Amino acid sequence: AQKITQTQPGMFVQEKEAVTLDCTYDTSDQSYGLFWYKQPSSGEMIFLIYQGSYDEQNATEGRYSLNFQKARKSANLVISASQLGDSAMYFCAMRELIQGAQKLVFGQGTRLTINP
Amino acid sequence: DSGVTQTPKHLITATGQRVTLRCSPRSGDLSVYWYQQSLDQGLQFLIQYYNGEERAKGNILERFSAQQFPDLHSELNLSSLELGDSALYFCASSGNEQFFGPGTRLTVL
Repeated sequence: AQKITQTQPGMFVQEKEAVTLDCTYDTSDQSYGLFWYKQPSSGEMIFLIYQGSYDEQNATEGRYSLNFQKARKSANLVISASQLGDSAMYFCAMRELIQGAQKLVFGQGTRLTINP
Repeated sequence: DSGVTQTPKHLITATGQRVTLRCSPRSGDLSVYWYQQSLDQGLQFLIQYYNGEERAKGNILERFSAQQFPDLHSELNLSSLELGDSALYFCASSGNEQFFGPGTRLTVL
């Protein structure tokens, strides 16, 4: 079974600094997808960024980029120029094939706090 | 706005009761996934439907069931509720990415 590990339960960062949230994964599949979601205190799950295992380039979406290191099985999220509104839980997830269908397997999350 | 809708937003009920959670996927998406987020178990996949058919089952209890209707909306039925069923229930629909609805927060007293 696939597994996602997020080793940072919490992080505190000063506003405007860049922050890296760690994610490592374990899979024997050759084709897989990696996701990051943001969950603010209001509870909704907001899709941030996606990286396919065969994508040559690291994914970027605005201030978010995914540092994908396939050999190390890591998919770290980098947020540039952090803002107060970035304070939230962040989840790394991997798409797993089960019974011919797809589901997401999530890590335990990292709580990010941006200090003014 | 993800385009996935869920109702109700909050639900408070008592042990032993039965509730129904509703989800409408994004326009054009045929798949609906249900997830449960609890403090002790984290985010867990429950079940997936594709165009009305069950496609995959995860850690879904026998007391829980789901269905997807011809208009593609889905309902998750939770019966004989226990305190431990208190959680945030999400549905998601997908193309390549999975977009989540706002969730239903269920509290069982």
